[in-house]
Amino acid sequence: LAKTTQPISMDSYEGQEVNITCSHNNIATNDYITWYQQFPSQGPRFIIQGYKTKVTNEVASLFIPADRKSSTLSLPRVSLSDTAVYYCLVGGNQGGKLIFGQGTELSVKP
Amino acid sequence: EADIYQTPRYLVIGTGKKITLECSQTMGHDKMYWYQQDPGMELHLIHYSYGVNSTEKGDLSSESTVSRIRTEHFPLTLESARPSHTSQYLCASSDPGFEQYFGPGTRLTVT
Repeated sequence: LAKTTQPISMDSYEGQEVNITCSHNNIATNDYITWYQQFPSQGPRFIIQGYKTKVTNEVASLFIPADRKSSTLSLPRVSLSDTAVYYCLVGGNQGGKLIFGQGTELSVKP
Repeated sequence: EADIYQTPRYLVIGTGKKITLECSQTMGHDKMYWYQQDPGMELHLIHYSYGVNSTEKGDLSSESTVSRIRTEHFPLTLESARPSHTSQYLCASSDPGFEQYFGPGTRLTVT
């Protein structure tokens, strides 16, 4: 499974757009990029997954450049309830083990 | 919402006791996982199963054991609890895709 690197922490204010970038230089051809969100004392929750270009759902967008060596999770107009740890994971889309890194601790201030 | 359950949610137990953490899911998923997470730290995979009678150790060495006799049930057992086992234990399952569904976790404290 490809190793990922992302910022340890980020600060933002309510109503701002937040972009969290993840590096995955060793991504394999059949690897997908997936982001999870975790609140304190809870299990992680799936946010979004993509393979290339751009994916959007009701909570976030995922931007993946052509070389796929990085990806950016975009959270539009964050609120206080978006304060959480965000994990970027890379792996095959056949189910199986997930390797969680340290994640990015996002703090949204009023 | 995913239907994956863990009991107990909180457990405080003395050193040397045997404990079993329960995990069950009603989604019919073949793949199930146990993670260990200390406060403020990353998750570490300690056990996984790809189906009935299949269990494997994860990337973090653990003194716990697991069993998978039924698809929906994946219990984790510690034969003799120690203070070093104090942590949060998270169970998850996944469908044929890449998404894993996590339970609420069991916060274990060994005194």
